Amino acid sequence: QSALTQPRSVSGSPGQSVTISCTGTSSDVGGYNYVSWYQQHPGKAPKVMVYDVNKRPSGVPDRFSGSKSGNTASLTISGLQAEDEADYYCCSYAGSYTWVFGGGTKLTVL
Amino acid sequence: EVQLVQSGAEVKKPGDSLKISCEGSGYTFTSNWIAWVRQMPGKGLECMGLIFPRDSDTRYSPSFQGQVTFSVDKSISTAYLQWSSLKASDTAMYYCARHVNSGDLYFDYWGQGALVTVSS
Repeated sequence: QSALTQPRSVSGSPGQSVTISCTGTSSDVGGYNYVSWYQQHPGKAPKVMVYDVNKRPSGVPDRFSGSKSGNTASLTISGLQAEDEADYYCCSYAGSYTWVFGGGTKLTVL
Repeated sequence: EVQLVQSGAEVKKPGDSLKISCEGSGYTFTSNWIAWVRQMPGKGLECMGLIFPRDSDTRYSPSFQGQVTFSVDKSISTAYLQWSSLKASDTAMYYCARHVNSGDLYFDYWGQGALVTVSS
């Protein structure tokens, strides 16, 4: 299966909000409510920020929120902080024990 | 505290074999699927597949079927990723990740990664 489509980069100033999109197909994003988002700082392992489209693990700030419409999922980060600068990857279940990731989006906090 | 601890960096030549490991602790190792995820230099994440430690049920992503082998040793709570003949294109960071065992579908804990460099 093909990788999910994400913008290569987004940016925002501290305190602003940014939204990262993740477009797939009816076989992955559109077919299941199992989209997760991972944050990866340079040289570090990914960390889950949102799962099952719009749920947050304990410890993740409520500034991070997820949504989905059709074949496109989105991650919104409100009240941007310097430590939010990282790469973000979406991931969707695609059936038959297969998962597909997005190409990643680099978030720059200006 | 749940932890996945991976083996160290490896430098190999094309054609070499390699087996890297991922040791789980802080939870019942046999209760959660373990995924292997590749990240090529400067690139995104790719799910290679998963293995269920309780019975070694293995599911490979189509792109990786036949290219790698997953295995586990339940007695030491360790999962393995193995190559029989490495290629330069296998150069990447490899992560193991635990899949939650609830009705949700996501990877909640990740290893620190193991860098594999294949070069002549």
